[in-house]
Amino acid sequence: ELKVEQNPLFLSMQEGKNYTIYCNYSTTSDRLYWYRQDPGKSLESLFVLLSNGAVKQEGRLMASLDTKARLSTLHITAAVHDLSATYFCAKFQGAQKLVFGQGTRLTINP
Amino acid sequence: AAGVIQSPRHLIKEKRETATLKCYPIPRHDTVYWYQQGPGQDPQFLISFYEKMQSDKGSIPDRFSAQQFSDYHSELNMSSLELGDSALYFCASSTRQVSYEQYFGPGTRLTVT
Repeated sequence: ELKVEQNPLFLSMQEGKNYTIYCNYSTTSDRLYWYRQDPGKSLESLFVLLSNGAVKQEGRLMASLDTKARLSTLHITAAVHDLSATYFCAKFQGAQKLVFGQGTRLTINP
Repeated sequence: AAGVIQSPRHLIKEKRETATLKCYPIPRHDTVYWYQQGPGQDPQFLISFYEKMQSDKGSIPDRFSAQQFSDYHSELNMSSLELGDSALYFCASSTRQVSYEQYFGPGTRLTVT
């Protein structure tokens, strides 16, 4: 059974600071996903990391994948209030079922 | 670009009632997935359909059933509703050719009182 674990689960930070969210998983398969979710809203796809060593960046967010360590990171650079949301990582178990981490609730304070 | 459509967006039901949630996938998408997200929880996979056949099943209660129709839309039927069924229900769709990318709909918020 695939397990996907994120830490921290809650993160409160100040604007302008950098921080990293970690996602560990229990299988050796490639491909990992990062989603953003605002309260009561849908899941917005941020990054699809397809293979070992993949690194993707969009604005102040950068995601990377290390399949050997079974670890993905989501790095936030110079945080701004608009990035406040819950961030999920997810992996496929089998061909169809996405298994999500617990989510990291990020609050960025002015 | 067209997105996944879900209806209704909000639904309030009483215990023991029945609810039907609908999902209209992105045009030319042939696979539909259903997820349930309880308050403060991560989304949990319920069931998926490819070409109108059930393709995978997760932690879906026996009180729930789902199907995919010839036009590829899907319906999730929920009977004997319980308070614990209150959640956000997401539908996602994909194509077989790009099955690794699931596109999520806006969700249906079900409240059971």
